[in-house]
Amino acid sequence: EIVLTQSPATLSLSPGERGTLSCRASQSVSSDLAWYQQKPGQAPRLLIYDASNRATGIPARFSGSGSGADFTLTISSLEPEDFAVYYCQQRRNWPWTFGQGTKVEIK
Amino acid sequence: EVQLVESGGGLVQPGGSLRLSCAASGFTFRDYWMTWVRQAPGKGLEWVASIKADGSEKHHVDSVKGRFTISRDNAQNSLYLQLSSLTAEDTAVYYCARAGHTNYWRGIGCWGQGTLVTVSS
Repeated sequence: EIVLTQSPATLSLSPGERGTLSCRASQSVSSDLAWYQQKPGQAPRLLIYDASNRATGIPARFSGSGSGADFTLTISSLEPEDFAVYYCQQRRNWPWTFGQGTKVEIK
Repeated sequence: EVQLVESGGGLVQPGGSLRLSCAASGFTFRDYWMTWVRQAPGKGLEWVASIKADGSEKHHVDSVKGRFTISRDNAQNSLYLQLSSLTAEDTAVYYCARAGHTNYWRGIGCWGQGTLVTVSS
């Protein structure tokens, strides 16, 4: 099983600041990595697929990078609605796995 | 509009069984892999199972193998998850989600609102 480790567990930032979230895989997942955003009481929302492709309707302030085992989700300038929990997920091997999540909170 | 609507959740005793359903609309259901993902209260996301567009390939997470079974009915645009031998550790919100198209991958792009399964005596 591929283990995804996200860091930090919590990121405290102010609106307008840049957020950088990390996801590290226990072995290479090539570019088969996605990022999701989840707000309390809501279903997850796809942000990025294949490491760097923004999903339909996702603002340009969200960007993904990386390949192999190290990935980054960057939020260039945090908007109030971006404070949420973010998960990475790999589909390289079965079982698909998610990271444990990074909570982005208001500082 | 793409919609996924889960049903079938509820309170069940340990050792019991339940069948979750997911009604899909707004897209060509038979062209997509479908997936179940769960989230225990206050915890992160856990992939549970996926099924190929034509139903010919299925995958389950080890913790549910032999107890849960994913299936689909393309004529009814429906996805199912049969849960049995339930334990308290299976208590979670279960999400139905649309995964990759037969011909391309765009991530797990559509999710239902979730259905809560509570295992308790």
